[in-house]
Amino acid sequence: QKEVEQNSGPLSVPEGAIASLNCTYSDRGSQSFFWYRQYSGKSPELIMSIYSNGDKEDGRFTAQLNKASQYVSLLIRDSQPSDSATYLCAVYSGGGADGLTFGKGTHLIIQP
Amino acid sequence: GAVVSQHPSRVICKSGTSVKIECRSLDFQATTMFWYRQFPKQSLMLMATSNEGSKATYEQGVEKDKFLINHASLTLSTLTVTSAHPEDSSFYICSASRGRTDTQYFGPGTRLTVL
Repeated sequence: QKEVEQNSGPLSVPEGAIASLNCTYSDRGSQSFFWYRQYSGKSPELIMSIYSNGDKEDGRFTAQLNKASQYVSLLIRDSQPSDSATYLCAVYSGGGADGLTFGKGTHLIIQP
Repeated sequence: GAVVSQHPSRVICKSGTSVKIECRSLDFQATTMFWYRQFPKQSLMLMATSNEGSKATYEQGVEKDKFLINHASLTLSTLTVTSAHPEDSSFYICSASRGRTDTQYFGPGTRLTVL
């Protein structure tokens, strides 16, 4: 059974600070990793994708992947109140299976 | 861009009726489309995967005769909830990708309420 684990939070971070969101996954053969942001009552929107070990930066967002530890994280620099949302970690395991396996999400609150 | 639309955004129906939800990729050809369901305070659960021109693949526990999926073109997939019951009330979200392993782009979702 493929599992993706996230701390549900809420994670409260002061405005302007760095928010760090973590995710672990059970399938060692997982190939692709995604972070989605979901505002309440809305569908998820893609923030970042990462496929190889290391860091990937896009604006204020940095995704970090460590396949040996089966761990993927998302850092948000200079956090803004508009970053307050639920962040979903999603993993694609391949091997003929379709679709992504989602974590339950971490609820992030940026305090003004 | 990669824009995916869904219609309707919200639907209320009586128990026993059928509801059709459309998912369209507006600016790219989607070889594969996915249908998810999300209950309040829960994560997204994959219901089925559809590839253009072929039968959908359903996840374990999802009744294929109740949730009919059609992916007749590279830009359109439909989900029909047949004989809907109150327990089918949920947020239904589709996503589309250019290929089975490519990035998925989500539609805005359809909130279904069955009375």
